[in-house]
Amino acid sequence: QVQLQESGPGLIKPSETLSLTCNVSGGSINNYHWTWIRQPPGKGLEYIGYIFYSGSTNYNPSLQSRLTMSLDTSKNQFSLKLTSVTAADTAVYYCARGYISGIDSWGQGMLVTVSS
Amino acid sequence: EIVLTQSPGTLSLSPGERATLSCRASQSVAKNYLAWYQQRPGQAPRLLIYGASSRATGIPDRFSGSGSGADFTLTINRLEPEDFAVYYCQQYAAWSTFGGGTKVEIK
Repeated sequence: QVQLQESGPGLIKPSETLSLTCNVSGGSINNYHWTWIRQPPGKGLEYIGYIFYSGSTNYNPSLQSRLTMSLDTSKNQFSLKLTSVTAADTAVYYCARGYISGIDSWGQGMLVTVSS
Repeated sequence: EIVLTQSPGTLSLSPGERATLSCRASQSVAKNYLAWYQQRPGQAPRLLIYGASSRATGIPDRFSGSGSGADFTLTINRLEPEDFAVYYCQQYAAWSTFGGGTKVEIK
Protein backbone atom coordinates (compact mmCIF):
# COMPACT_ATOMS: atom_id res chain seq x y z
CA GLN A 1 0.00 0.00 0.00
CA VAL A 2 1.43 3.36 -1.01
CA GLN A 3 2.30 5.80 1.77
CA LEU A 4 2.98 9.51 1.50
CA GLN A 5 4.81 11.77 3.93
CA GLU A 6 5.17 15.55 3.78
CA SER A 7 8.28 17.32 5.01
CA GLY A 8 9.47 20.91 5.21
CA PRO A 9 9.53 23.91 7.55
CA GLY A 10 6.48 24.41 9.71
CA LEU A 11 7.01 28.14 10.15
CA ILE A 12 7.94 30.65 7.50
CA LYS A 13 7.90 34.45 7.30
CA PRO A 14 5.68 36.57 5.08
CA SER A 15 7.08 37.13 1.58
CA GLU A 16 9.26 34.00 1.84
CA THR A 17 8.91 30.82 -0.24
CA LEU A 18 7.07 27.80 1.12
CA SER A 19 8.85 24.58 0.10
CA LEU A 20 7.44 21.14 0.82
CA THR A 21 8.46 17.67 -0.28
CA CYS A 22 6.39 14.53 -0.35
CA ASN A 23 8.10 11.16 -0.08
CA VAL A 24 6.25 8.26 -1.71
CA SER A 25 6.89 4.76 -0.43
CA GLY A 26 5.37 1.38 -1.10
CA GLY A 27 4.61 2.11 -4.72
CA SER A 28 5.93 3.60 -7.92
CA ILE A 29 5.63 7.26 -8.74
CA ASN A 30 4.83 6.30 -12.33
CA ASN A 31 1.31 7.13 -13.41
CA TYR A 32 -1.14 9.06 -11.24
CA HIS A 33 -1.56 12.73 -10.48
CA TRP A 34 0.76 13.65 -7.62
CA THR A 35 -1.35 16.21 -5.89
CA TRP A 36 -1.21 18.98 -3.30
CA ILE A 37 -4.25 20.07 -1.31
CA ARG A 38 -4.42 22.49 1.59
CA GLN A 39 -6.82 23.23 4.41
CA PRO A 40 -6.72 26.47 6.41
CA PRO A 41 -7.36 25.89 10.12
CA GLY A 42 -11.04 25.19 10.71
CA LYS A 43 -11.93 25.52 7.03
CA GLY A 44 -12.51 23.35 3.97
CA LEU A 45 -10.24 21.78 1.39
CA GLU A 46 -8.57 23.69 -1.45
CA TYR A 47 -7.08 21.90 -4.44
CA ILE A 48 -3.64 23.36 -5.18
CA GLY A 49 -2.67 21.31 -8.20
CA TYR A 50 -0.88 18.23 -9.43
CA ILE A 51 2.10 17.02 -11.37
CA PHE A 52 1.76 14.01 -13.62
CA TYR A 53 4.51 11.39 -13.69
CA SER A 54 5.50 12.70 -17.13
CA GLY A 55 6.23 16.09 -15.56
CA SER A 56 3.22 17.94 -16.90
CA THR A 57 1.47 20.12 -14.34
CA ASN A 58 -1.93 21.58 -13.67
CA TYR A 59 -2.20 24.41 -11.15
CA ASN A 60 -5.00 26.20 -9.35
CA PRO A 61 -5.49 29.39 -11.40
CA SER A 62 -5.63 31.49 -8.24
CA LEU A 63 -2.16 30.29 -7.20
CA GLN A 64 -0.56 29.69 -10.58
CA SER A 65 1.63 32.79 -10.63
CA ARG A 66 3.30 31.76 -7.35
CA LEU A 67 3.37 28.00 -7.72
CA THR A 68 5.90 25.47 -8.98
CA MET A 69 5.70 21.69 -8.67
CA SER A 70 8.43 19.23 -9.51
CA LEU A 71 8.99 15.48 -9.49
CA ASP A 72 12.08 13.39 -8.76
CA THR A 73 11.39 9.86 -9.93
CA SER A 74 14.81 8.62 -8.79
CA LYS A 75 13.93 9.53 -5.20
CA ASN A 76 10.19 8.79 -5.45
CA GLN A 77 9.47 12.33 -4.34
CA PHE A 78 7.55 15.33 -5.54
CA SER A 79 7.70 18.89 -4.33
CA LEU A 80 5.82 22.16 -4.08
CA LYS A 81 7.13 25.72 -3.99
CA LEU A 82 4.85 28.65 -3.28
CA THR A 83 6.44 32.09 -3.41
CA SER A 84 5.58 35.37 -1.70
CA VAL A 85 3.50 33.78 1.04
CA THR A 86 1.13 35.69 3.30
CA ALA A 87 -0.89 34.75 6.37
CA ALA A 88 -3.62 33.54 4.00
CA ASP A 89 -1.31 30.68 3.00
CA THR A 90 -1.32 29.29 6.55
CA ALA A 91 -2.84 25.83 6.28
CA VAL A 92 -2.38 22.12 6.66
CA TYR A 93 -0.78 20.99 3.42
CA TYR A 94 -1.53 17.48 2.19
CA CYS A 95 0.27 15.58 -0.52
CA ALA A 96 -1.80 12.90 -2.17
CA ARG A 97 -2.18 10.52 -5.09
CA GLY A 98 -5.04 11.03 -7.46
CA TYR A 99 -6.43 9.96 -10.80
CA ILE A 100 -9.78 9.18 -12.42
CA SER A 101 -10.69 7.08 -9.40
CA GLY A 102 -10.41 9.99 -7.02
CA ILE A 103 -7.69 10.84 -4.50
CA ASP A 104 -7.07 7.47 -2.95
CA SER A 105 -3.97 8.03 -0.84
CA TRP A 106 -3.13 10.99 1.39
CA GLY A 107 -0.22 12.04 3.53
CA GLN A 108 -0.94 12.81 7.16
CA GLY A 109 -0.74 16.55 6.46
CA MET A 110 1.67 19.21 7.63
CA LEU A 111 0.74 22.51 9.25
CA VAL A 112 2.60 25.42 7.72
CA THR A 113 2.25 28.72 9.54
CA VAL A 114 3.13 32.04 7.93
CA SER A 115 4.07 34.53 10.61
CA SER A 116 6.78 37.03 11.36
CA GLU B 1 -14.75 26.73 -12.45
CA ILE B 2 -17.40 24.28 -11.24
CA VAL B 3 -18.73 25.36 -7.84
CA LEU B 4 -19.98 22.59 -5.56
CA THR B 5 -22.61 23.41 -2.94
CA GLN B 6 -23.11 20.89 -0.16
CA SER B 7 -26.18 20.73 2.01
CA PRO B 8 -27.03 20.74 4.76
CA GLY B 9 -24.09 22.37 6.47
CA THR B 10 -24.69 20.27 9.57
CA LEU B 11 -26.72 17.11 10.00
CA SER B 12 -27.66 16.03 13.54
CA LEU B 13 -28.53 12.35 13.74
CA SER B 14 -28.40 9.40 16.12
CA PRO B 15 -26.41 6.21 15.66
CA GLY B 16 -28.38 3.74 13.57
CA GLU B 17 -30.14 6.42 11.54
CA ARG B 18 -29.65 7.15 7.86
CA ALA B 19 -27.74 10.21 6.63
CA THR B 20 -28.46 11.79 3.26
CA LEU B 21 -25.95 14.37 2.06
CA SER B 22 -26.35 16.49 -1.05
CA CYS B 23 -23.77 17.94 -3.44
CA ARG B 24 -25.00 20.24 -6.21
CA ALA B 25 -22.71 21.45 -8.99
CA SER B 26 -22.98 24.79 -10.79
CA GLN B 27 -22.83 22.86 -14.07
CA SER B 28 -22.93 19.28 -15.19
CA VAL B 29 -19.99 17.15 -14.05
CA ALA B 30 -18.68 15.28 -17.07
CA LYS B 31 -18.35 11.51 -16.86
CA ASN B 32 -19.73 11.72 -13.31
CA TYR B 33 -16.23 12.49 -12.07
CA LEU B 34 -17.50 13.15 -8.56
CA ALA B 35 -15.94 11.80 -5.38
CA TRP B 36 -16.86 11.82 -1.69
CA TYR B 37 -14.43 11.97 1.24
CA GLN B 38 -14.76 11.55 4.98
CA GLN B 39 -12.59 13.60 7.32
CA ARG B 40 -12.40 12.88 11.03
CA PRO B 41 -10.90 15.48 13.39
CA GLY B 42 -7.13 15.68 13.12
CA GLN B 43 -6.99 13.23 10.21
CA ALA B 44 -6.51 13.43 6.49
CA PRO B 45 -9.58 12.93 4.31
CA ARG B 46 -10.39 9.38 3.23
CA LEU B 47 -11.82 8.48 -0.16
CA LEU B 48 -15.27 6.87 0.11
CA ILE B 49 -16.81 7.08 -3.35
CA TYR B 50 -15.48 7.87 -6.82
CA GLY B 51 -17.19 8.10 -10.17
CA ALA B 52 -20.31 9.21 -8.27
CA SER B 53 -21.24 5.67 -7.19
CA SER B 54 -18.21 3.37 -6.96
CA ARG B 55 -17.05 2.52 -3.46
CA ALA B 56 -13.34 2.82 -2.81
CA THR B 57 -11.36 -0.15 -1.55
CA GLY B 58 -12.28 -1.17 1.98
CA ILE B 59 -15.28 1.12 2.32
CA PRO B 60 -18.28 -0.54 4.04
CA ASP B 61 -21.38 -1.04 1.96
CA ARG B 62 -23.44 1.20 4.25
CA PHE B 63 -21.88 4.05 2.24
CA SER B 64 -23.41 4.60 -1.17
CA GLY B 65 -23.24 7.33 -3.77
CA SER B 66 -25.75 8.23 -6.43
CA GLY B 67 -26.63 10.94 -8.88
CA SER B 68 -25.52 12.30 -12.22
CA GLY B 69 -25.23 15.54 -14.10
CA ALA B 70 -25.20 18.24 -11.46
CA ASP B 71 -26.93 16.56 -8.50
CA PHE B 72 -25.24 13.95 -6.33
CA THR B 73 -26.03 12.26 -3.06
CA LEU B 74 -24.05 10.37 -0.44
CA THR B 75 -26.15 8.05 1.72
CA ILE B 76 -24.89 6.47 4.91
CA ASN B 77 -27.16 3.72 6.18
CA ARG B 78 -27.22 2.79 9.86
CA LEU B 79 -24.78 5.37 11.18
CA GLU B 80 -21.96 3.93 13.26
CA PRO B 81 -20.17 6.02 15.94
CA GLU B 82 -17.11 6.35 13.69
CA ASP B 83 -19.20 7.86 10.87
CA PHE B 84 -19.70 11.15 12.71
CA ALA B 85 -17.32 13.36 10.77
CA VAL B 86 -17.17 15.96 8.01
CA TYR B 87 -17.89 14.87 4.44
CA TYR B 88 -16.67 16.61 1.29
CA CYS B 89 -17.58 16.14 -2.34
CA GLN B 90 -15.04 16.82 -5.09
CA GLN B 91 -15.42 17.10 -8.84
CA TYR B 92 -12.43 16.21 -10.98
CA ALA B 93 -13.94 16.61 -14.43
CA ALA B 94 -13.01 20.23 -15.04
CA TRP B 95 -9.93 21.11 -13.06
CA SER B 96 -10.86 20.07 -9.51
CA THR B 97 -12.87 21.69 -6.78
CA PHE B 98 -14.26 20.68 -3.41
CA GLY B 99 -17.58 21.44 -1.80
CA GLY B 100 -17.70 23.27 1.51
CA GLY B 101 -18.45 20.14 3.50
CA THR B 102 -21.27 18.68 5.59
CA LYS B 103 -20.71 17.91 9.24
CA VAL B 104 -22.56 14.85 10.52
CA GLU B 105 -22.85 15.21 14.27
CA ILE B 106 -24.36 13.14 17.04
CA LYS B 107 -27.82 14.30 18.04
